[in-house]
Amino acid sequence: DAGVIQSPRHEVTEMGQEVTLRCKPISGHDYLFWYRQTMMRGLELLIYFNNNVPIDDSGMPEDRFSAKMPNASFSTLKIQPSEPRDSAVYFCATSGRPPDTQYFGPGTRLTVL
Amino acid sequence: AQSVAQPEDQVNVAEGNPLTVKCTYSVSGNPYLFWYVQYPNRGLQFLLKYITGDNLVKGSYGFEAEFNKSQTSFHLKKPSALVSDSALYFCAVRDIKNDYKLSFGAGTTVTVRA
Repeated sequence: DAGVIQSPRHEVTEMGQEVTLRCKPISGHDYLFWYRQTMMRGLELLIYFNNNVPIDDSGMPEDRFSAKMPNASFSTLKIQPSEPRDSAVYFCATSGRPPDTQYFGPGTRLTVL
Repeated sequence: AQSVAQPEDQVNVAEGNPLTVKCTYSVSGNPYLFWYVQYPNRGLQFLLKYITGDNLVKGSYGFEAEFNKSQTSFHLKKPSALVSDSALYFCAVRDIKNDYKLSFGAGTTVTVRA
């Protein structure tokens, strides 16, 4: 199995632009999690899905952030408009039915200038 | 609410010496506990987990962890550290009475010197 796939690996954009991060989960995993990692705040859970349905989005910082999972093989995290404080590494993780282990993708390093 | 604490920001050991990374947790019910490792510019990699059963859990790369309910601890250990073990280590907890969210500690940077 290829593991969790994220794209792009690096994204540099200017303030105000729309950013879309993508994740392909491990086949058969029903749960998908989006995390953000920064030096100041550590690892934060933004949102998670079960069977393509958003279950808890309480970690989404504000309305500029949105996430979708149109099918079992694909999820997106969108930031519109982006701001410099959104600069971070964004991870996607997936798991089977809990308490199965969450497996992380390589992350997308986002820099907003 | 569930949480974990990693009391040490950094741990430095010499190669060949024992390595311990500390973690304490707080949950309202019984915990599921995890250790992950992150190498520079990489995602988190799963090392081991405690769900139930034997308090001593063995994981990848020669690591093990001991669950201690009375002390609410889940320390990560390796008998003989390698330079390649230098990385950032995260402890995480999930309360089985909670939903499926993991709460991560702040991380401990391990440096193993040759």
